[in-house]
Amino acid sequence: DIVMTQFPDSLAVSLGERATINCKSSQSILYRSNKKNYLAWYQQRPGQPPKLLIYWASTRESGVPDRFSGSGSGTDFTLTISSLQAEDVAVYYCQQYYDSPRTFGQGTKLEIK
Amino acid sequence: EVQLVESGGGLVQPGGSLRLSCTASGFSFSSFAFHWVRQVPGKGLEYVSAISNEDTTFYANSVKGRFTISRDNSKNTLYLQMGSLRAEDMAVYYCARDLAGVGALDIWGQGTMVTVSS
Repeated sequence: DIVMTQFPDSLAVSLGERATINCKSSQSILYRSNKKNYLAWYQQRPGQPPKLLIYWASTRESGVPDRFSGSGSGTDFTLTISSLQAEDVAVYYCQQYYDSPRTFGQGTKLEIK
Repeated sequence: EVQLVESGGGLVQPGGSLRLSCTASGFSFSSFAFHWVRQVPGKGLEYVSAISNEDTTFYANSVKGRFTISRDNSKNTLYLQMGSLRAEDMAVYYCARDLAGVGALDIWGQGTMVTVSS
């Protein structure tokens, strides 16, 4: 199985400041034939199901604010929130869909400082 | 409105069985693959099982041989038959739709809680 490791486990950022969450896969999830990274980011607010934010490592899902961005390739990926809003308090998960099982990272809890 | 609604969770004794359902609405159910993901309250997400639009199935090692995923396109419903349940199966179970042509999970249900206890 591909192991997904996120860091940090938790993060406290001031409102309006930048938040950065990292995700590392145990093997490359870049499919060379189409040059796509098979990585998604999800947001899970308290008491809610996960919500898809980003797929193909950097493509925002429809309706997701542009303060959310994804980057990286191969084994190292980053989710950036450019200006933290109160509603961004949540746990964030990365997931690879390169191979089954489609494993998730352990999650990063984002709070307001 | 595009949505998934799970049902069937509840309390079951160790070794018992339970069938979860996930009813879809607002889109063409038969065209999509679906997944089950579970979450122990307060913990992370664990991938459980998947079924393609052509009925190809996948199971995590932790549930292989005990759980069966299936679908009924005429009822727009996804199922997860769970057997030989253990304490470690206790979790909220989510069904999720596979974003066509991508593989990420774009639509999630609200989840149904499965409690395994004597």
